[in-house]
Amino acid sequence: QQPVQSPQAVILREGEDAVINCSSSKALYSVHWYRQKHGEAPVFLMILLKGGEQKGHEKISASFNEKKQQSSLYLTASQLSYSGTYFCGTARSIDKVIFGPGTSLSVIP
Amino acid sequence: DSGVTQTPKHLITATGQRVTLRCSPRSGDLSVYWYQQSLDQGLQFLIQYYNGEERAKGNILERFSAQQFPDLHSELNLSSLELGDSALYFCASSVAGGLVNEQFFGPGTRLTVL
Repeated sequence: QQPVQSPQAVILREGEDAVINCSSSKALYSVHWYRQKHGEAPVFLMILLKGGEQKGHEKISASFNEKKQQSSLYLTASQLSYSGTYFCGTARSIDKVIFGPGTSLSVIP
Repeated sequence: DSGVTQTPKHLITATGQRVTLRCSPRSGDLSVYWYQQSLDQGLQFLIQYYNGEERAKGNILERFSAQQFPDLHSELNLSSLELGDSALYFCASSVAGGLVNEQFFGPGTRLTVL
């Protein structure tokens, strides 16, 4: 079951903030966030685990609401380098991470 | 550079043919994952191996198969290729299971089926 991401696409000016949401209809063990720039491989951003533990970048924050099976990625004071497609991946059982359709983020000067 | 290598970088072949994609994980990583990404599409999980054993399966077609060898490199075999199999195929690796560990993605193999 693929997670749902919203919005599908967003355009920001430098310095603006954005929130990308990810939700699942099933109970989750962990939520994973990756960013993929055009023509490149996805790069790890963060993992949020059931119970509140987080692993990832210091400058990117995210939340995981276990009761609602929802996660949000917070991008503050956006920079041009933030542009790319953001994928959330959800894991319910061992090793299987299913990625959402992605959110395209464009930061313009 | 993630440390994950994939060969070849590009592959052009005809319908009905069979190809093999190769992946070498980062040094020390035991898990290998394969993903398919069609044009402007998300990452479709295909299959995962851990230390030589199949660990998880996704939407992998019966025409596709994979294996992980004792030296931990992995190969994805695609047979009876169809036009719709044209995509970017990523391999990723992690130190252990993917539930709580980050995955490091290789540069991908772009497959074009004509």
